[in-house]
Amino acid sequence: GNSVTQMEGPVTLSEEAFLTINCTYTATGYPSLFWYVQYPGEGLQLLLKATKADDKGSNKGFEATYRKETTSFHLEKGSVQVSDSAVYFCALSDYNTNAGKSTFGDGTTLTVKP
Amino acid sequence: DVKVTQSSRYLVKRTGEKVFLECVQDMDHENMFWYRQDPGLGLRLIYFSYDVKMKEKGDIPEGYSVSREKKERFSLILESASTNQTSMYLCASSLRDGSPLHFGNGTRLTVT
Repeated sequence: GNSVTQMEGPVTLSEEAFLTINCTYTATGYPSLFWYVQYPGEGLQLLLKATKADDKGSNKGFEATYRKETTSFHLEKGSVQVSDSAVYFCALSDYNTNAGKSTFGDGTTLTVKP
Repeated sequence: DVKVTQSSRYLVKRTGEKVFLECVQDMDHENMFWYRQDPGLGLRLIYFSYDVKMKEKGDIPEGYSVSREKKERFSLILESASTNQTSMYLCASSLRDGSPLHFGNGTRLTVT
């Protein structure tokens, strides 16, 4: 079946540091890939997405590239801010083989200190 | 913007009570989902629905049921609440298969 493995946390960075959160996936079909973010006390919200190989998703300074050859979708940001402190989830959705259900990673907690 | 509204942010119920969690989306999405989120266990899918009156079991359906009488509304029912159902419950919707999910803000349920 499908699975998503993401970097274990928690991750603590200083403001303006470079961020990478690793995500790899296993899927039998051709999934769409997503990063969601969850701020304290809220539900998840879509951060960025990519629907096919070599696509780059980007939003709010975050980027991730769909790498089919390495089955990866690593999240990066060049300079993090305190307001980026949240839990980040990598996910995939493969409507061809999994009836559209999403598979989530376990989440990575990011804390950014001033 | 899509809005997914969960009727309660916090609920406290007693063991054995029947509990209803309501979720409404305002963008005519086909698919709706109920997840529970627990520390160390991530998000686990309870039930989902592709259409009115349609429902499919997710990964952990035991002890739960759902109702979708109208396209915009998806209810999660705990037939007889137990303490191990204390959790954060998240409702989500998506336009179609493979589309991103839109989540509500969650309902934190405590069963005592």
